[in-house]
Amino acid sequence: RKEVEQDPGPFNVPEGATVAFNCTYSNSASQSFFWYRQDCRKEPKLLMSVYSSGNEDGRFTAQLNRASQYISLLIRDSKLSDSATYLCVVSRLRSSNTGKLIFGQGTTLQVKP
Amino acid sequence: SQTIHQWPATLVQPVGSPLSLECTVEGTSNPNLYWYRQAAGRGLQLLFYSVGIGQISSEVPQNLSASRPQDRQFILSSKKLLLSDSGFYLCAWSKTVPEAFFGQGTRLTVV
Repeated sequence: RKEVEQDPGPFNVPEGATVAFNCTYSNSASQSFFWYRQDCRKEPKLLMSVYSSGNEDGRFTAQLNRASQYISLLIRDSKLSDSATYLCVVSRLRSSNTGKLIFGQGTTLQVKP
Repeated sequence: SQTIHQWPATLVQPVGSPLSLECTVEGTSNPNLYWYRQAAGRGLQLLFYSVGIGQISSEVPQNLSASRPQDRQFILSSKKLLLSDSGFYLCAWSKTVPEAFFGQGTRLTVV
């Protein structure tokens, strides 16, 4: 079983739609959680961190459920520019001195006009 | 501000040839450094990470090796490339917070 699992999609949605991505992780020792965005043939870039209390950044909302080992990303009012692959990422330890990031395979989103 | 440089951007190498990819970080000291590989249509696979000079942890057995000769330099190498080594290689760094910042990547094609 992969340590971080995502539905690869693709998710094809019209502009203005709300779309949700889910992610599960298997290692209960995971401490930090993130969503990264990767455009085609480009490097991944941090989209947002995910906190237990949930956090929102504009049209993006991320939530974490530690009991279920589940992470979600909600995108409201989708834009064409949101088309990308969204990577769920967990870090095993709090301290970055011994931590490392484990990536899910990503979920591809295609927003259509 | 911190920047990460990775080169070359693209590389085509014959099977059996050696490989050397270099990554350098500017604007910070003692970063954690990572090499990831992304095969076509696949997720990122952690290959190596380093918490300091000469300290390398390997995540998966493979045809590759990594070295950190200087604090902000991370090198990925192979003595003899295989077809299966083709992919998108990404170097990344992190520091006091665990999120990582990536270089622009090297697209390697082994022919």
